[in-house]
Amino acid sequence: DADVTQTPRNRITKTGKRIMLECSQTKGHDRMYWYRQDPGLGLRLIYYSFDVKDINKGEISDGYSVSRQAQAKFSLSLESAIPNQTALYFCATSDPKGSGETQYFGPGTRLLVL
Amino acid sequence: QQQVKQSPQSLIVQKGGISIINCAYENTAFDYFPWYQQFPGKGPALLIAIRPDVSEKKEGRFTISFNKSAKQFSLHIMDSQPGDSATYFCAASWNTDKLIFGTGTRLQVFP
Repeated sequence: DADVTQTPRNRITKTGKRIMLECSQTKGHDRMYWYRQDPGLGLRLIYYSFDVKDINKGEISDGYSVSRQAQAKFSLSLESAIPNQTALYFCATSDPKGSGETQYFGPGTRLLVL
Repeated sequence: QQQVKQSPQSLIVQKGGISIINCAYENTAFDYFPWYQQFPGKGPALLIAIRPDVSEKKEGRFTISFNKSAKQFSLHIMDSQPGDSATYFCAASWNTDKLIFGTGTRLQVFP
């Protein structure tokens, strides 16, 4: 987990606020992902990036945006936070050339939208 | 067709027992089936994975059974221990594309 870091680890915000969750990795992987985890719904993909110039929507991208600032950094923004975006958010990386499709997850950010 | 259906949602097993978690998929193009383990407060981590050219893969107490014709795969945890208590996710992917995760199973192993 230390190779993939997420900041902040916990965040409380109010409805309508714009917030950013940050992810950094030292694994040298090209691929990065943002997921949200909700009880009973598993891990749902928000956005993914297969390299610095490649950004793709996942299954639940509405209300979110991302920025891939460098190979090592991938940020997730909530443009105008709403209570149903309260969830646990995970960043992950992978390297299809190395260990196959193994994804390495960060420790997560717990977000509460009031 | 992209879904991976996982059951049960929760599982309680006594120490020493066998834990079994099942997953089913529709997309026959999937060629990689991993299981991830997540402890409270941590991110998921790869536990074991299988490709469809074999029907079973074993690593220690953890075994994946794969039934290609039924489009099902399962995780068996033998001699379950309290330290195995975690949430388990199955997943599938095709041609090194992104993973499709199941909804997760919370396993509790009691002494």
